[in-house]
Amino acid sequence: AQKITQTQPGMFVQEKEAVTLDCTYDTSDPSYGLFWYKQPSSGEMIFLIYQGSYDQQNATEGRYSLNFQKARKSANLVISASQLGDSAMYFCAMREMISGSARQLTFGSGTQLTVLP
Amino acid sequence: DTGVSQDPRHKITKRGQNVTFRCDPISEHNRLYWYRQTLGQGPEFLTYFQNEAQLEKSRLLSDRFSAERPKGSFSTLEIQRTEQGDSAMYLCASSPKDRQGYSPLHFGNGTRLTVT
Repeated sequence: AQKITQTQPGMFVQEKEAVTLDCTYDTSDPSYGLFWYKQPSSGEMIFLIYQGSYDQQNATEGRYSLNFQKARKSANLVISASQLGDSAMYFCAMREMISGSARQLTFGSGTQLTVLP
Repeated sequence: DTGVSQDPRHKITKRGQNVTFRCDPISEHNRLYWYRQTLGQGPEFLTYFQNEAQLEKSRLLSDRFSAERPKGSFSTLEIQRTEQGDSAMYLCASSPKDRQGYSPLHFGNGTRLTVT
């Protein structure tokens, strides 16, 4: 089974509008971390936001927020007030805890976001 | 700049040749990861080190691949007898030892390998 599922290969949003990028995950561990990364066409992976499985509140970082619904195992990224520079590939990822140590990041297949002027 | 550094940025090689990539992590990070990313896909885990110890290897890491981190600082990834299927972006990342919660991985800009 896929650990991380991103069902939107591509998304379009009008500049200054908000957009939600979907992510569902699969784990039986009670302790895990969820991450979103941005990858522009230049190739670098840029860390955006983190949500811990025990965090009570949804994470926010500037224009980014994470809509964490633990029972549904979803961790959607919300970008408010989209900018042209937000056009990029966005990856959802998860780290699980194995034997008291955090494992590597497991990535989804990504969503290509295009912001339209 | 104290980010993760990878060298070279691009490598073109002929099938059957050996290639080696280098990664310099953020200096205070004791964990180092290698990932492979093919076009249009998410990065796939290859291997990771805590200090000089290689703690986990993916089944993707065939016996033609070897990674080292001899002094717990920089790391090298070598691919022997390259095949066209090895063409990909090879990403290195580092993170500090997790205390509470999960530290994000900080990625380098990658080495793009093209096998002709």
